[in-house]
Amino acid sequence: DAGITQSPRHKVTETGTPVTLRCHQTENHRYMYWYRQDPGHGLRLIHYSYGVKDTDKGEVSDGYSVSRSKTEDFLLTLESATSSQTSVYFCASGTALANSGANVLTFGAGSRLTVL
Amino acid sequence: GEDVEQSLFLSVREGDSSVINCTYTDSSSTYLYWYKQEPGAGLQLLTYIFSNMDMKQDQRLTVLLNKKDKHLSLRIADTQTGDSAIYFCADAGGTYKYIFGTGTRLKVLA
Repeated sequence: DAGITQSPRHKVTETGTPVTLRCHQTENHRYMYWYRQDPGHGLRLIHYSYGVKDTDKGEVSDGYSVSRSKTEDFLLTLESATSSQTSVYFCASGTALANSGANVLTFGAGSRLTVL
Repeated sequence: GEDVEQSLFLSVREGDSSVINCTYTDSSSTYLYWYKQEPGAGLQLLTYIFSNMDMKQDQRLTVLLNKKDKHLSLRIADTQTGDSAIYFCADAGGTYKYIFGTGTRLKVLA
């Protein structure tokens, strides 16, 4: 299927365990993003990537790492999960619109992570 | 750093107009965007405006941009129950580092 898929869609884990969320896109988009969504905070950028092996930090990067070894895959890792990382995580990919300079982000359906 | 602010809630009656407001801080923004999030789903692009424009109309949607005040608004005419969702404004400040606002939850009353 075209678009963006995230896995797992739901995960419950315990404090201190490592967690990896996967994002896969079939659009051949150069840019990819990880956001977290929390009530009252909206969508906050964790990390983003502007090419294979090229990543940069966002607003709330502490406690998270990312890797992008292929254009289509962007992994988000929580090395040691904490309860404050309980959230809904969204992956997105971005590309320029053909008829303008605007850039469009395409979002996955989200991954709900609960850290007990 | 870049900051994007929105009010959290808006409630309107079906058939009325809705106006969702957003303020941003980055003066180098080239495009500003509105995204819509329906329950249980990711965000989808609704519309966008080039920073040299004051207004953009797209069917029931009107985007107004006041660049001097760094204020963006989205007007939805003839609001329907299907418009109930969370609306986010977003800004990349001329880069690819997209920052989203807190989102405005629109509730449409029948």
